Amino acid sequence: GAVVSQHPSWVICKSGTSVKIECRSLDFQATTMFWYRQFPKQSLMLMATSNEGSKATYEQGVEKDKFLINHASLTLSTLTVTSAHPEDSSFYICSARDVAGGYNEQFFGPGTRLTVL
Amino acid sequence: AQTVTQSQPEMSVQEAETVTLSCTYDTSESNYYLFWYKQPPSRQMILVIRQEAYKQQNATENRFSVNFQKAAKSFSLKISDSQLGDTAMYFCAFRPSNTGNQFYFGTGTSLTVIP
Repeated sequence: GAVVSQHPSWVICKSGTSVKIECRSLDFQATTMFWYRQFPKQSLMLMATSNEGSKATYEQGVEKDKFLINHASLTLSTLTVTSAHPEDSSFYICSARDVAGGYNEQFFGPGTRLTVL
Repeated sequence: AQTVTQSQPEMSVQEAETVTLSCTYDTSESNYYLFWYKQPPSRQMILVIRQEAYKQQNATENRFSVNFQKAAKSFSLKISDSQLGDTAMYFCAFRPSNTGNQFYFGTGTSLTVIP
């Protein structure tokens, strides 16, 4: 199957700083990528849909000025958590849509654990 | 609105035995896809099995099979000959075929395989 990577896998930052998380599709082009947030022992919550070359579409309740998404190329989307606070601590997962696959399925990255002190 | 319900937060099974995880969904869509994803302690989401709603035949992948009941909107996962490596969170997911590929996930079932 297609491979999606995320970097970093784990980041600790101080409150008030910004953190950038990268999501890359390694062996396919992804016109659409998705960003999810997952709290411990809970399901994945879709935050936003990232489209190459256009603005991201945010889910209701997600602050677009706080969670900046950039999808500058067909293989890279970035999520920047601006002015992070302890309540932003979570596990962030990206996925990428492989349109070449018959099911248009999503392939998930390994996730990034963010801890804000 | 699309909803996915997994009514079993936790389950356990003896190694080599069979276990069934339940999933129901609610939708007005006529065509869609259904998936089961596994999330082991590493947190990497892994596709276990998928089913197209227009196919009546239940999908099978080695030890994993589904019981898809479209009228009842039910999509259960059966794991045969359970192995220790099957210990993980299992998420049922639904995707309408005519939208922007948004997935709707259930709340998950934590499965523990007991040696």
